[in-house]
Amino acid sequence: AQTVTQSQPEMSVQEAETVTLSCTYDTSESDYYLFWYKQPPSRQMILVIRQEAYKQQNATENRFSVNFQKAAKSFSLKISDSQLGDAAMYFCAYRSVTGANSKLTFGKGITLSVRP
Amino acid sequence: GAVVSQHPSWVICKSGTSVKIECRSLDFQATTMFWYRQFPKQSLMLMATSNEGSKATYEQGVEKDKFLINHASLTLSTLTVTSAHPEDSSFYICSALSGPPDQPQHFGDGTRLSIL
Repeated sequence: AQTVTQSQPEMSVQEAETVTLSCTYDTSESDYYLFWYKQPPSRQMILVIRQEAYKQQNATENRFSVNFQKAAKSFSLKISDSQLGDAAMYFCAYRSVTGANSKLTFGKGITLSVRP
Repeated sequence: GAVVSQHPSWVICKSGTSVKIECRSLDFQATTMFWYRQFPKQSLMLMATSNEGSKATYEQGVEKDKFLINHASLTLSTLTVTSAHPEDSSFYICSALSGPPDQPQHFGDGTRLSIL
């Protein structure tokens, strides 16, 4: 079974600075998908970024980018120019390619606070 | 596009009653729907996976008779908490998958359930 580990329960960043949220996972599969979701206080789940394991290029979405290290099974999220609206809980998630296992496996999450 | 509507957003009811939560995909057909439970400051815990027209697959430890899931159509899944008790109080979130695993899951806004 796949597992996703987010070892840091909380992090804090100064507004306009850069912060990196770490995530590691364990799998025996060679192809899969990785996601970062944001959950603000409203508790709505918002997809931040997605990475396909077979792609070597790191995914980017505006101020959000990932550092995907397949051999190390690491998938960190970098938030540049942090904004107050980035304050939220962030979840790293894994999904297998095979249809029978299309469920998401979530990490425990990390609470990010942004200091003005 | 890809909107998932979850209703109600908040419900309070007396112990012993049954509560039904609806999850609808508004602009796409959901081949698979997922139901999660989330406690404050914790990750999403998958309760069950449902496919249209077939019985739901429950995760280990989830009581099938307590949490009834029906996926009657490609746009509607329901979760019924039967004979609810205070320990069932939680935040419940549904999500829907429109196709193969490379497509992201689309989440509803969640339902806050409080049992008195």
